[in-house]
Amino acid sequence: QSALTQPASVSGSPGQSITISCTGTSSDVGGYSYVSWYQQYPGKAPKLMIYEVSNRPSGVSNRFSGSKSGNTASLTISGLQAEDEADYYCSSYISATTHVIFGGGTKLTVL
Amino acid sequence: QVQLQESGPGLVKPSETLSLTCAVSGYSISSGYYWGWIRQPPGKGLEWIGSVYRGGSTYYNSSLKSRVTISVDTSKNQFSLRLTSVTAADTAVYYCARDRFTSTYAFDFWGPGTMVTVSS
Repeated sequence: QSALTQPASVSGSPGQSITISCTGTSSDVGGYSYVSWYQQYPGKAPKLMIYEVSNRPSGVSNRFSGSKSGNTASLTISGLQAEDEADYYCSSYISATTHVIFGGGTKLTVL
Repeated sequence: QVQLQESGPGLVKPSETLSLTCAVSGYSISSGYYWGWIRQPPGKGLEWIGSVYRGGSTYYNSSLKSRVTISVDTSKNQFSLRLTSVTAADTAVYYCARDRFTSTYAFDFWGPGTMVTVSS
C-alpha cells in the first residue's frame, strides 16, 4: 500500500489559517475514523497533535483542529504562529495486519 | 509522564543485524498498551516497523516482516528491535513510541530517536 498523499509544502502568514490535506482510499482514511496528525520540528521526534480525526491530546492548542470528508482528512491551524513552522504528518489505520500508514509529510512555512 | 529512550549502535555493517532497545519510564509496560518502532530515513517520511504487546504478541509491517523481530522485557521495562540483513536502505532515525493499537491507533509518546547508519 502506498503512503497517504499530502502536499509537499504549505505556507501562511501569522494570524492566518491554513489547511493541510491527507488523501487516502476507502481502505484507510475513508474506511476508519482513526486518522492522526503529528508535528515534527527538525531533528526532533514527532508529537501527536490530533487523533481519531478530530480529537486533541491534553496540552495541544485548540488552534489545531482536524476533520475528514470521504477519503481525505484535513488538519487546520488557525491563528498561525511562527512556532507552528514544522513538518506535519498524517497517519491512518489500515488493517490489523498492516496497522498504520503515514503520509509523506508537509512542510509548513510561516511567512 | 511516560518517557522513552532508544539505545544501540549508531553504525551497522551491511548484511549484519541492527539491534535497538527502548527503555520506558513513567509507566509499567506490564500494565498494558502496545509499544512500537517507527523509522525515518534522512529527509524522508515516517514508516511503522512493528509493535509488541506486554504479553509478547507482535505486529509487523508486511514489507519488513521477514527481517524484523520485536520483543519485550517487562522485568526491565523495555522492548527491543532486531532487523536482520540490513542494507543502506535501512539507514534512518529509529523511534520507539507507545502505540495505542486497538484504541485510537495513534502513537502518543515518543522517544527522541536514534540515528542508525548502515555502512561498511
